Amino acid sequence: DADVTQTPRNRITKTGKRIMLECSQTKGHDRMYWYRQDPGLGLRLIYYSFDVKDINKGEISDGYSVSRQAQAKFSLSLESAIPNQTALYFCATSGPEALTDTQYFGPGTRLTVL
Amino acid sequence: AQSVAQPEDQVNVAEGNPLTVKCTYSVSGNPYLFWYVQYPNRGLQFLLKYITGDNLVKGSYGFEAEFNKSQTSFHLKKPSALVSDSALYFCAVRDNTGRRALTFGSGTRLQVQP
Repeated sequence: DADVTQTPRNRITKTGKRIMLECSQTKGHDRMYWYRQDPGLGLRLIYYSFDVKDINKGEISDGYSVSRQAQAKFSLSLESAIPNQTALYFCATSGPEALTDTQYFGPGTRLTVL
Repeated sequence: AQSVAQPEDQVNVAEGNPLTVKCTYSVSGNPYLFWYVQYPNRGLQFLLKYITGDNLVKGSYGFEAEFNKSQTSFHLKKPSALVSDSALYFCAVRDNTGRRALTFGSGTRLQVQP
């Protein structure tokens, strides 16, 4: 089984709809991240969490919210989806390698907002 | 703020030839540098990292990277390319603020021709 899983893998929705993307991990890591990938822009940080009670905004948090339900689960919500949120979304985790912070990525969720 | 530049959108190389994918970075403090690879419809896979020590870092699948502090570069290399190496490659630098998130370059598509 994969260490970092994301559901759904693909989603098509309409403008104005609320949508939630879920991430689960079995690596036992405390730190979890949400990124979005757009062609030619690489990955950009949306939100990150260092533990259940610690949630922080990244560079592009507007229009998104997150919930850390447990150490292993970190969800990303789009309260009212808009077309420019069409992207590939990745969850990542990192653990107690304190000096290196190697991040491990899920397979991604491809979101299309019509 | 930290940044990463990957000056080539695409690199083409013949199978069996050496390959180089370029990356330059900017960060305050000690650089922690990473290379990730993304195969079609897959998440990002960790290839290698530089923390400190030897400037030549060896990673997965025969890849290595050369850290050059004076040129602020961290180029990815492989002595003999395989067709299966064709993928999207991302260079990243860890920020040295409390976030410890990764800042990614825009990615370089490597195409290895048979």
